[in-house]
Amino acid sequence: DSGVTQTPKHLITATGQRVTLRCSPRSGDLSVYWYQQSLDQGLQFLIQYYNGEERAKGNILERFSAQQFPDLHSELNLSSLELGDSALYFCASSVTYGVGEQYFGPGTRLTVT
Amino acid sequence: KNEVEQSPQNLTAQEGEFITINCSYSVGISALHWLQQHPGGGIVSLFMLSSGKKKHGRLIATINIQEKHSSLHITASHPRDSAVYICAVRPSGSARQLTFGSGTQLTVLP
Repeated sequence: DSGVTQTPKHLITATGQRVTLRCSPRSGDLSVYWYQQSLDQGLQFLIQYYNGEERAKGNILERFSAQQFPDLHSELNLSSLELGDSALYFCASSVTYGVGEQYFGPGTRLTVT
Repeated sequence: KNEVEQSPQNLTAQEGEFITINCSYSVGISALHWLQQHPGGGIVSLFMLSSGKKKHGRLIATINIQEKHSSLHITASHPRDSAVYICAVRPSGSARQLTFGSGTQLTVLP
């Protein structure tokens, strides 16, 4: 158990809908990262927050947004969902925003039908 | 060409065999990570390297910065080692985050 929690575990929704994925980092970790793993693209970095501020952005679509709250939990919002958004979404946390060990959550499996 | 290349893509071994998975990258890096992804989907961080060699139990990871190459070795392999092993690099000198290889699917047969 990494200490990172993600909810929900599974999510099935229809095209055009909006969903929110939630992540709670390990106690003491200030950085949260979001990753997408799809069958055709593999693992890709989406976005990073550090202590409430956006720190780095990767291949995140404009339909997706994220935030980190004062209690350090983070939410990833996916809107106008398309079939191609079906993937595993992982959250990871680390102590710093720079080079360091990352601890991964169990993931949320999103299926868009 | 991908920035991170892993080989082999698939590997089947007999229990007890010594296993090597390779990772080559094309950019300067500040760190390289080896991750293990279980059949259920969960990801575990095995190693983070910036130089030299690290050992944890039956797992050994090495990195050669000059050659831009890393290897993950598993000694005395066991069926429970069956998983996907993923190499990821953090490019240096920028705010860029982890870039992942496509993974190596390892199956260890009893």
